[in-house]
Amino acid sequence: AQKITQTQPGMFVQEKEAVTLDCTYDTSDQSYGLFWYKQPSSGEMIFLIYQGSYDEQNATEGRYSLNFQKARKSANLVISASQLGDSAMYFCAMRAYSSASKIIFGSGTRLSIRP
Amino acid sequence: GAVVSQHPSWVICKSGTSVKIECRSLDFQATTMFWYRQFPKQSLMLMATSNEGSKATYEQGVEKDKFLINHASLTLSTLTVTSAHPEDSSFYICSANDDRSSNEQYFGPGTRLTVT
Repeated sequence: AQKITQTQPGMFVQEKEAVTLDCTYDTSDQSYGLFWYKQPSSGEMIFLIYQGSYDEQNATEGRYSLNFQKARKSANLVISASQLGDSAMYFCAMRAYSSASKIIFGSGTRLSIRP
Repeated sequence: GAVVSQHPSWVICKSGTSVKIECRSLDFQATTMFWYRQFPKQSLMLMATSNEGSKATYEQGVEKDKFLINHASLTLSTLTVTSAHPEDSSFYICSANDDRSSNEQYFGPGTRLTVT
């Protein structure tokens, strides 16, 4: 069975600072993918970044980077130079390719950026 | 990027009635679509996997006779909440896999259902 754990229900960060959102996962699959999504108050799910289990380099997308530590089964999201518009819920998610490509989500972290 | 639409964006219905929610992939084909439910301040919970041309696969604990899923074409899946009750009030979100890329999964904007 797959499981995603996000241990930070909420975080407050000063604008322009960097922030790390924690995510650990559990799977017996060798082939899997890890995702981070942002959900603002409007409810839409915005894809941020993807890391494949066989990718040797950490994924980066603009201000977002994924700190992938495979042995520790962690996939933390780092947001550099945070902005007020980054305030939202953030979900870590995983897809194990043996399970029909379905994505399961962690419980989420509510990030609030202080001006 | 690829776009997934949902209709309606919000709906209010009376207890005991049925409600249909549509999920469309606008510019790509999707053999597989997924339906999630999200209660306030909670995460997305997968309800079922919708497969084009075949029966949906439901997650444990989800009543297939209550949540009817039809995936009649490569761009459309529908979720019908039958005999809705107030506890079915939730945010329903669909997502779709782009058949051209196994890594990409795109989410619709969600449908907020309120059952009175």
